[in-house]
Amino acid sequence: DTAVSQTPKYLVTQMGNDKSIKCEQNLGHDTMYWYKQDSKKFLKIMFSYNNKELIINETVPNRFSPKSPDKAHLNLHINSLELGDSAVYFCASSQDAGYSGNTIYFGEGSWLTVV
Amino acid sequence: AQTVTQSQPEMSVQEAETVTLSCTYDTSENNYYLFWYKQPPSRQMILVIRQEAYKQQNATENRFSVNFQKAAKSFSLKISDSQLGDTAMYFCAFMRPPYSGAGSYQLTFGKGTKLSVIP
Repeated sequence: DTAVSQTPKYLVTQMGNDKSIKCEQNLGHDTMYWYKQDSKKFLKIMFSYNNKELIINETVPNRFSPKSPDKAHLNLHINSLELGDSAVYFCASSQDAGYSGNTIYFGEGSWLTVV
Repeated sequence: AQTVTQSQPEMSVQEAETVTLSCTYDTSENNYYLFWYKQPPSRQMILVIRQEAYKQQNATENRFSVNFQKAAKSFSLKISDSQLGDTAMYFCAFMRPPYSGAGSYQLTFGKGTKLSVIP
């Protein structure tokens, strides 16, 4: 069973389109994240949600809108796609346990190519 | 803000040999967590090992071990008996707990070290 699963794994789309990437975790975790890995393989957090509430929102264009219908799902919708949005997008999750700290588990990534 | 530095963009090692990947970080926090993640060509992010800053003992997972030097803010990864399947990008990551009671854990990644295991 895949702990953090995201779909689609590969997505090629034209500039200007709107697309969504879905993510689901079956680990019972309270917190979910979206990370972006650019062409230089640098990974950076975009958003995090804790129990469906937005906690972290890094400097991300407002064309990116996360949506968490429940704590097991965190979808990423991107409007008006641009060439620079081409990247691998990772969904991740962790258990919220206060200061005890916890490991973040990643999905397999969604390769987005904007042409 | 925390920063994580991996000074070796690429490394190679002969199969069955030992290799050490370096990582340094900068933080004013006292409680934090450190991780090594592996990313093979498939691009999946796989947790290799984790270290809590309050623990003096170095973490070990089978052939993977760390050398955690808190005062020096250094967190190197040693891979023993290297195998072809160890070929991957390796990312060092720093995590601070949330400042408020509930919240999320923010990972800051280094830029990665590309490790090639040579047969």
